[in-house]
Amino acid sequence: GDSVTQMEGPVTLSEEAFLTINCTYTATGYPSLFWYVQYPGEGLQLLLKATKADDKGSNKGFEATYRKETTSFHLEKGSVQVSDSAVYFCALKGPYNQGGKLIFGQGTELSVKP
Amino acid sequence: GAGVSQSPRYKVAKRGQDVALRCDPISGHVSLFWYQQALGQGPEFLTYFQNEAQLDKSGLPSDRFFAERPEGSVSTLKIQRTQQEDSAVYLCASSQSRDSGYTFGSGTRLTVV
Repeated sequence: GDSVTQMEGPVTLSEEAFLTINCTYTATGYPSLFWYVQYPGEGLQLLLKATKADDKGSNKGFEATYRKETTSFHLEKGSVQVSDSAVYFCALKGPYNQGGKLIFGQGTELSVKP
Repeated sequence: GAGVSQSPRYKVAKRGQDVALRCDPISGHVSLFWYQQALGQGPEFLTYFQNEAQLDKSGLPSDRFFAERPEGSVSTLKIQRTQQEDSAVYLCASSQSRDSGYTFGSGTRLTVV
Protein backbone atom coordinates (compact mmCIF):
# COMPACT_ATOMS: atom_id res chain seq x y z
CA GLY A 1 0.00 0.00 0.00
CA ASP A 2 0.84 3.67 -0.15
CA SER A 3 3.33 4.92 2.46
CA VAL A 4 5.49 7.89 3.46
CA THR A 5 8.90 7.77 5.15
CA GLN A 6 10.47 10.79 6.82
CA MET A 7 13.86 11.33 8.36
CA GLU A 8 13.81 10.77 12.08
CA GLY A 9 14.05 13.61 14.52
CA PRO A 10 14.55 15.52 16.55
CA VAL A 11 16.44 17.96 14.38
CA THR A 12 18.14 20.75 16.31
CA LEU A 13 19.44 23.81 14.46
CA SER A 14 20.69 27.26 15.30
CA GLU A 15 18.74 30.26 14.09
CA GLU A 16 19.49 31.16 10.45
CA ALA A 17 20.77 27.66 9.64
CA PHE A 18 19.69 25.79 6.51
CA LEU A 19 16.99 23.16 6.95
CA THR A 20 16.36 19.94 5.05
CA ILE A 21 13.84 17.34 6.15
CA ASN A 22 13.83 14.30 3.88
CA CYS A 23 10.63 12.63 2.73
CA THR A 24 10.20 9.71 0.35
CA TYR A 25 7.02 7.97 -0.66
CA THR A 26 5.61 4.81 -2.17
CA ALA A 27 2.37 5.11 -4.08
CA THR A 28 0.34 3.72 -6.94
CA GLY A 29 -0.05 6.25 -9.71
CA TYR A 30 0.68 9.91 -9.18
CA PRO A 31 -0.25 11.15 -5.73
CA SER A 32 -0.51 14.70 -4.48
CA LEU A 33 2.12 15.53 -1.86
CA PHE A 34 1.88 17.75 1.21
CA TRP A 35 3.82 19.11 4.12
CA TYR A 36 1.86 19.83 7.30
CA VAL A 37 3.16 21.57 10.42
CA GLN A 38 1.99 21.08 13.99
CA TYR A 39 2.89 23.75 16.52
CA PRO A 40 2.69 22.81 20.21
CA GLY A 41 -0.90 22.58 21.38
CA GLU A 42 -2.33 23.32 17.94
CA GLY A 43 -3.89 21.37 15.09
CA LEU A 44 -2.14 20.37 11.91
CA GLN A 45 -1.78 23.18 9.39
CA LEU A 46 -1.08 22.82 5.70
CA LEU A 47 2.35 24.29 4.94
CA LEU A 48 2.64 23.57 1.22
CA LYS A 49 1.64 21.13 -1.46
CA ALA A 50 2.45 19.88 -4.97
CA THR A 51 0.08 17.98 -7.19
CA LYS A 52 2.26 16.77 -10.07
CA ALA A 53 5.83 15.89 -10.90
CA ASP A 54 8.35 18.77 -10.89
CA ASP A 55 5.89 21.09 -9.15
CA LYS A 56 7.44 23.18 -6.40
CA GLY A 57 5.31 24.06 -3.39
CA SER A 58 6.35 27.05 -1.31
CA ASN A 59 5.11 29.00 1.69
CA LYS A 60 6.66 31.11 4.48
CA GLY A 61 10.15 30.54 3.08
CA PHE A 62 9.74 26.75 2.97
CA GLU A 63 9.99 24.88 -0.34
CA ALA A 64 9.59 21.31 -1.56
CA THR A 65 9.84 19.89 -5.08
CA TYR A 66 7.89 16.84 -6.25
CA ARG A 67 10.54 14.48 -7.65
CA LYS A 68 8.96 11.54 -9.38
CA GLU A 69 12.25 9.92 -10.38
CA THR A 70 13.40 9.68 -6.77
CA THR A 71 9.87 9.52 -5.25
CA SER A 72 10.84 12.32 -2.90
CA PHE A 73 9.42 15.58 -1.55
CA HIS A 74 12.14 17.01 0.69
CA LEU A 75 11.33 20.13 2.73
CA GLU A 76 13.89 22.96 2.72
CA LYS A 77 14.27 26.43 4.19
CA GLY A 78 17.25 28.66 3.72
CA SER A 79 17.25 30.35 7.12
CA VAL A 80 15.20 28.96 10.01
CA GLN A 81 13.80 30.99 12.89
CA VAL A 82 13.00 30.06 16.47
CA SER A 83 9.32 30.34 15.54
CA ASP A 84 9.75 27.45 13.06
CA SER A 85 10.13 25.03 15.96
CA ALA A 86 7.37 22.47 15.45
CA VAL A 87 6.69 18.95 14.19
CA TYR A 88 6.61 18.59 10.41
CA PHE A 89 4.65 15.86 8.63
CA CYS A 90 5.00 14.76 5.03
CA ALA A 91 1.81 13.29 3.56
CA LEU A 92 0.35 12.00 0.33
CA LYS A 93 -3.10 11.76 -1.14
CA GLY A 94 -3.43 8.95 -3.65
CA PRO A 95 -5.25 9.60 -6.91
CA TYR A 96 -7.51 6.65 -6.48
CA ASN A 97 -8.58 6.66 -2.87
CA GLN A 98 -12.14 7.64 -2.22
CA GLY A 99 -12.64 10.90 -0.42
CA GLY A 100 -9.00 11.89 -0.59
CA LYS A 101 -7.69 10.55 2.71
CA LEU A 102 -4.15 11.51 3.64
CA ILE A 103 -1.34 9.09 4.45
CA PHE A 104 1.22 10.64 6.80
CA GLY A 105 4.82 10.03 7.65
CA GLN A 106 5.80 9.67 11.29
CA GLY A 107 6.73 13.34 11.70
CA THR A 108 10.02 15.16 12.27
CA GLU A 109 10.43 17.41 15.27
CA LEU A 110 12.41 20.59 14.60
CA SER A 111 13.92 22.63 17.40
CA VAL A 112 15.55 25.96 16.52
CA LYS A 113 17.80 27.54 19.13
CA PRO A 114 18.51 31.29 19.28
CA GLY B 1 -17.41 28.74 13.52
CA ALA B 2 -14.13 29.80 12.05
CA GLY B 3 -12.40 26.49 12.51
CA VAL B 4 -12.91 22.82 13.31
CA SER B 5 -13.82 22.43 16.95
CA GLN B 6 -13.26 19.22 18.93
CA SER B 7 -14.40 18.37 22.41
CA PRO B 8 -13.41 17.46 24.98
CA ARG B 9 -9.84 18.66 24.64
CA TYR B 10 -8.66 15.98 27.07
CA LYS B 11 -10.35 12.79 28.24
CA VAL B 12 -9.19 10.28 30.83
CA ALA B 13 -11.10 7.01 30.76
CA LYS B 14 -10.82 3.91 32.87
CA ARG B 15 -10.20 0.74 30.93
CA GLY B 16 -13.51 -0.72 29.85
CA GLN B 17 -15.34 2.59 29.87
CA ASP B 18 -17.13 3.93 26.78
CA VAL B 19 -16.17 7.37 25.42
CA ALA B 20 -17.64 9.77 22.86
CA LEU B 21 -15.56 12.38 21.07
CA ARG B 22 -17.21 15.26 19.24
CA CYS B 23 -16.21 17.14 16.11
CA ASP B 24 -17.84 20.37 14.86
CA PRO B 25 -16.60 20.92 11.30
CA ILE B 26 -16.54 24.22 9.47
CA SER B 27 -20.06 25.11 8.41
CA GLY B 28 -20.81 23.88 4.90
CA HIS B 29 -17.88 21.49 4.69
CA VAL B 30 -19.03 18.32 2.98
CA SER B 31 -16.14 16.01 3.81
CA LEU B 32 -15.16 14.99 7.33
CA PHE B 33 -12.29 12.74 8.38
CA TRP B 34 -11.20 11.16 11.65
CA TYR B 35 -7.55 10.31 12.31
CA GLN B 36 -5.79 8.65 15.24
CA GLN B 37 -2.35 9.94 16.24
CA ALA B 38 -0.34 7.83 18.66
CA LEU B 39 2.45 9.47 20.62
CA GLY B 40 5.41 10.25 18.38
CA GLN B 41 3.65 9.02 15.24
CA GLY B 42 1.89 10.56 12.29
CA PRO B 43 -1.89 10.61 12.09
CA GLU B 44 -3.52 7.45 10.77
CA PHE B 45 -6.80 7.47 8.89
CA LEU B 46 -9.84 6.06 10.67
CA THR B 47 -12.94 6.98 8.70
CA TYR B 48 -14.44 9.41 6.17
CA PHE B 49 -17.88 10.97 5.72
CA GLN B 50 -19.34 12.78 2.78
CA ASN B 51 -22.29 14.65 4.26
CA GLU B 52 -24.06 12.04 6.41
CA ALA B 53 -22.79 9.03 4.48
CA GLN B 54 -19.87 7.11 5.89
CA LEU B 55 -18.04 6.19 2.69
CA ASP B 56 -14.87 4.68 4.12
CA LYS B 57 -14.37 3.10 7.52
CA SER B 58 -11.45 0.93 6.56
CA GLY B 59 -9.15 2.49 9.17
CA LEU B 60 -11.27 1.75 12.22
CA PRO B 61 -9.08 -0.63 14.25
CA SER B 62 -11.84 -2.78 15.68
CA ASP B 63 -15.59 -3.08 16.03
CA ARG B 64 -15.30 -1.17 19.30
CA PHE B 65 -14.88 1.99 17.23
CA PHE B 66 -17.96 3.59 15.74
CA ALA B 67 -18.48 6.96 14.05
CA GLU B 68 -21.58 8.81 12.98
CA ARG B 69 -22.59 12.08 11.35
CA PRO B 70 -26.39 11.84 11.30
CA GLU B 71 -27.22 15.29 9.90
CA GLY B 72 -24.13 15.81 7.80
CA SER B 73 -22.61 18.30 10.21
CA VAL B 74 -21.43 17.37 13.72
CA SER B 75 -19.71 13.99 14.00
CA THR B 76 -19.14 11.74 16.98
CA LEU B 77 -16.48 9.06 17.32
CA LYS B 78 -17.43 6.49 19.92
CA ILE B 79 -15.09 3.96 21.44
CA GLN B 80 -16.61 1.15 23.46
CA ARG B 81 -14.83 -0.78 26.20
CA THR B 82 -11.70 1.33 25.92
CA GLN B 83 -8.31 -0.36 26.07
CA GLN B 84 -4.91 1.08 26.88
CA GLU B 85 -3.86 0.87 23.24
CA ASP B 86 -6.65 3.31 22.41
CA SER B 87 -4.70 6.09 24.14
CA ALA B 88 -3.92 8.64 21.43
CA VAL B 89 -4.89 12.01 20.05
CA TYR B 90 -7.99 11.81 17.87
CA LEU B 91 -8.02 14.41 15.11
CA CYS B 92 -10.93 15.57 13.04
CA ALA B 93 -10.58 17.37 9.71
CA SER B 94 -13.10 18.84 7.30
CA SER B 95 -13.01 20.12 3.74
CA GLN B 96 -15.40 21.65 1.25
CA SER B 97 -14.86 18.87 -1.25
CA ARG B 98 -12.62 15.94 -2.07
CA ASP B 99 -10.05 18.12 -3.80
CA SER B 100 -10.08 21.01 -1.33
CA GLY B 101 -7.57 21.51 1.43
CA TYR B 102 -8.31 20.15 4.88
CA THR B 103 -8.75 22.10 8.11
CA PHE B 104 -7.78 20.10 11.18
CA GLY B 105 -9.09 20.53 14.69
CA SER B 106 -6.77 20.63 17.68
CA GLY B 107 -7.71 17.10 18.62
CA THR B 108 -8.91 15.20 21.69
CA ARG B 109 -6.20 13.56 23.76
CA LEU B 110 -7.57 10.30 25.14
CA THR B 111 -5.73 8.57 27.95
CA VAL B 112 -6.97 5.16 29.05
CA VAL B 113 -5.84 4.16 32.54
